[in-house]
Order: sequence, then C-alpha cells, then structure tokens
Amino acid sequence: GAVVSQHPSRVICKSGTSVKIECRSLDFQATTMFWYRQFPKQSLMLMATSNEGSKATYEQGVEKDKFLINHASLTLSTLTVTSAHPEDSSFYICSATPGLMTNSPLHFGNGTRLTVT
Amino acid sequence: AQSVAQPEDQVNVAEGNPLTVKCTYSVSGNPYLFWYVQYPNRGLQFLLKYITGDNLVKGSYGFEAEFNKSQTSFHLKKPSALVSDSALYFCAVRESSNKFYFGSGTKLNVKP
Repeated sequence: GAVVSQHPSRVICKSGTSVKIECRSLDFQATTMFWYRQFPKQSLMLMATSNEGSKATYEQGVEKDKFLINHASLTLSTLTVTSAHPEDSSFYICSATPGLMTNSPLHFGNGTRLTVT
Repeated sequence: AQSVAQPEDQVNVAEGNPLTVKCTYSVSGNPYLFWYVQYPNRGLQFLLKYITGDNLVKGSYGFEAEFNKSQTSFHLKKPSALVSDSALYFCAVRESSNKFYFGSGTKLNVKP
C-alpha cells in the first residue's frame, strides 16, 4: 500500500521551455504532498509543500514563479519548471503520506531526472 | 529547528560483516526519526521509524536502528551485510508541521 507514482521518469528539454512533472498517490488520498530536489551525490532539499485546494508553501530560497505547484485533487500534485535553464537540471522527487500523524512515514515517487540542454 | 546529521559520506563493509550507518539528531521536543534507502535513479524507500517505545527498532530487509536519547543518536545497523544492501542511506526527522528533513546521506558499499 501507500504507492506514489511520479511521471515522467526522465525528461530532456530545451532551455526556455517549461516542463510539467506529475505526482499521484495511487491508493490513498493526500491533502499534502512534498516536492524535493536532489543534486548529484547530495541530500534531498525540500522545495515546497503542496496543499490540496490552496497555495503551495515554498521553502526559503525557492522561486515560486519558477517552480509552479498545483494540487488540484487529493491524489494529484504537479510541479512545473517554467522557462527551464541548464541549472535547473536535477533529480526531482515527490512524496506524500497517507496520514498526517507524526508516526506516518513519507512515501516517495521514483523521481524525475530533468536535463535542460 | 529540527535537523539530522550523518557524519560519514561513505561506509565500506565486507559481505557478512555487521554494518552501522551513523545518524545524530537535534530536535526540540520528542524526536520522530526515520531511515530511508535510495537506489540509483530511484526515489527513497522507507526502512524504519522511531516514534516512541523500545529503543531498538526493527525494519525492512533485516535492518534495525537504535535510538539513544543521551547521545542523541539513531544509528542504522544490520548484523550481516549483503552486497545488495549497497545503496545510499538517509536519516530523516519529521517536524510537527509534517515536513521531513534529511541528513546528507551515507553511501554504503558492501564488497563480496
């Protein structure tokens, strides 16, 4: 149980274009989802908290206009990297938890490898 | 603010030997601690968690972790390492806001 699906797994785009990444909770509802970014050989950096039906909460230093998050339903959150540049190339991972209690683990999608050329 | 630290970038161990991956934490209030494993180009998989109760927590794939309040540590252990255990391991702490914060990760290399 508690499966999180992320799509696409890999995407290559040209500089200046936008890319949308989808994150779905397959067997549970998630009012909150989290988006992380991981640089090579580094830890996960929390980018934002996606809230169903309301605006996302961004971590300090993360550009809201650059990384658009939409959480339109209880099972889907999307991250759009707008006007992508090579420095946006990274591994993006979404996560969600079936419960908001503190003993609930996060479940992760398999990540999206974004390469901007 | 809550945080976790993983002092080792890499741990090398021979197959069949016990392994330990270290994690220390800094939290205000009760700690909610987790261990995750990541294989190349994949998301993270949950291994185990400590919320309350017994200090020795057992998890997936034969892993366990020992919560030590006096040393503020939550080290991941396994009695006998397998080559297939080679991966990246992350310690994490969960805040009351439900955000998770991760350590820097430790690469585990298990050699045959």
